Amino acid sequence: AQSVAQPEDQVNVAEGNPLTVKCTYSVSGNPYLFWYVQYPNRGLQFLLKYITGDNLVKGSYGFEAEFNKSQTSFHLKKPSALVSDSALYFCAVRDAASGGSYIPTFGRGTSLIVHP
Amino acid sequence: DAGITQSPRYKITETGRQVTLMCHQTWSHSYMFWYRQDLGHGLRLIYYSAAADITDKGEVPDGYVVSRSKTENFPLTLESATRSQTSVYFCASSELGPQETQYFGPGTRLLVL
Repeated sequence: AQSVAQPEDQVNVAEGNPLTVKCTYSVSGNPYLFWYVQYPNRGLQFLLKYITGDNLVKGSYGFEAEFNKSQTSFHLKKPSALVSDSALYFCAVRDAASGGSYIPTFGRGTSLIVHP
Repeated sequence: DAGITQSPRYKITETGRQVTLMCHQTWSHSYMFWYRQDLGHGLRLIYYSAAADITDKGEVPDGYVVSRSKTENFPLTLESATRSQTSVYFCASSELGPQETQYFGPGTRLLVL
């Protein structure tokens, strides 16, 4: 079985400071990891994904995420937060050993609030 | 326009009525999904479909019915709406394979009185 945990319901950061949104996962096989962002009254938008290869993945809007296999984590990061980054962030995982269905599991979401 | 659309965007209905939420995608993606989003629960999968005429239950399927007669459409029907089905509903699609990104529609906000 696969699962995802986002341990923080809310993250607060000042504009210009670095931000981290945490995600840990559990899978049987190899993980395929995704981050999505949801702005108010909108659908989820893809930010970045880890498939294989380089553990540091770069995505949209200056975000990046680091895959850490030993800690089963895939934390989302940005060096300098903007007020416009304030949104709801979802981590998702797909297990390569899921028998072919590849249905993703989403975390509960983390609300990022960037203060001016 | 290419993309994934949902209709209606907002719907108010009464308990016991049948409601159908529409989802249409223009990419010919194999997979389509229906989620509901509620405070404190994140996204919960209702039903999904791997191809036309192939559907399967997700985490919270009770009270919902889906069909997929064409690849591009995936309607969700609430047969007899209940207040607990008040939620925001999102449709998504993706290509086949674990590495594929999901693309989400703008959502339908449903209020059941």
